[in-house]
Amino acid sequence: DTGVSQDPRHKITKRGQNVTFRCDPISEHNRLYWYRQTLGQGPEFLTYFQNEAQLEKSRLLSDRFSAERPKGSFSTLEIQRTEQGDSAMYLCASSLGTGATDTQYFGPGTRLTVL
Amino acid sequence: AQSVTQPDIHITVSEGASLELRCNYSYGATPYLFWYVQSPGQGLQLLLKYFSGDTLVQGIKGFEAEFKRSQSSFNLRKPSVHWSDAAEYFCAVSSPSGATNKLIFGTGTLLAVQP
Repeated sequence: DTGVSQDPRHKITKRGQNVTFRCDPISEHNRLYWYRQTLGQGPEFLTYFQNEAQLEKSRLLSDRFSAERPKGSFSTLEIQRTEQGDSAMYLCASSLGTGATDTQYFGPGTRLTVL
Repeated sequence: AQSVTQPDIHITVSEGASLELRCNYSYGATPYLFWYVQSPGQGLQLLLKYFSGDTLVQGIKGFEAEFKRSQSSFNLRKPSVHWSDAAEYFCAVSSPSGATNKLIFGTGTLLAVQP
């Protein structure tokens, strides 16, 4: 197991620019999650994929956010027209299972700073 | 609304002393319960989890947690803290009947360890 990897680890952008983050889950994990963590807070759920299907999106995920998981492997999270309020750590997690008891394994996160 | 409360934002303990981190949840039914640890530059790592059965669960790194239904609590304990335990600790819940297994996190407790 190489673990969940995320790229880039850090991203600094100017307000109004678009950014894209990538997550590579643990091999063969069918479930993939995105969370957002702001300073002093715990992670908040953004969206969930089972294989390539996006099955749930949080109300936190505005129209400027889009996530994909083509072919059920890696996933991308794109933020369009970034705002300063988007500055946060974006965490990806993956798990293997179909029930309610599988364990989520987290990546190191991508820290986004919007100037 | 479903929520997790970690009343202590910061805790400082001396190395070798015992530790208890508090977690309370508000949920319609008994959720699944988790403790994660986050070190700087590292992803969230699962310490332990509770689904059902014995209310005292053992985890990695010498941690344990006790589920108390009457108090809606799931406190984390360690009998003797090591300097390497300094990190941020998050309590989380998920729904046993949920389709996505998304985690709801508390705001975290930052643990400092004095030599």
